[in-house]
Amino acid sequence: AQSVAQPEDQVNVAEGNPLTVKCTYSVSGNPYLFWYVQYPNRGLQFLLKYITGDNLVKGSYGFEAEFNKSQTSFHLKKPSALVSDSALYFCAVRDPADRGSTLGRLYFGRGTQLTVWP
Amino acid sequence: DTGVSQNPRHKITKRGQNVTFRCDPISEHNRLYWYRQTLGQGPEFLTYFQNEAQLEKSRLLSDRFSAERPKGSFSTLEIQRTEQGDSAMYLCASSARLNTGELFFGEGSRLTVL
Repeated sequence: AQSVAQPEDQVNVAEGNPLTVKCTYSVSGNPYLFWYVQYPNRGLQFLLKYITGDNLVKGSYGFEAEFNKSQTSFHLKKPSALVSDSALYFCAVRDPADRGSTLGRLYFGRGTQLTVWP
Repeated sequence: DTGVSQNPRHKITKRGQNVTFRCDPISEHNRLYWYRQTLGQGPEFLTYFQNEAQLEKSRLLSDRFSAERPKGSFSTLEIQRTEQGDSAMYLCASSARLNTGELFFGEGSRLTVL
């Protein structure tokens, strides 16, 4: 079964400090992994993805994520947080064994609320 | 704004009534998806269209739910005989022909069933 876990409901960091939002997954084979962000009263926005290749992927707004197959993790990181980064972050996975499906069928975690204080 | 558009943004209805939501995807996107998001949870897949064909449906999509995309452009999601458990945010997303997994989401339609 496919699943995504975001162990922290909330992450609080000071502006300028590095931030990490954690994500672990459970799928068979090599997963496709994604991060999305949801600002208040806005739709989900794509941040970055890992399909194959370099384990460190860079995305929008200075975010990056590291794929770690042995730990089945895909943590989201940013070297220096901004107040404007405060939002709800979702990790998502596509199961490569999801035969007959499409790349659009994603399984999302419950989300992590990131708050960056000045 | 040429993003994904959803209407209405908020619908309040009484239990047993029917409701319909509309989604207008990004014009050049041939793939369209419906997800449902309840409070404190991540989005859950409901159904997927490629052009006008509905290619996949989740088990979450009970018989009371029906989705259409008649001309391969906009889509509607209808819920018949609504129940309080249907209260949720209904999200529409679209993606381009060469799909790399990046979805473009609308702002959602929030359903409240009293």
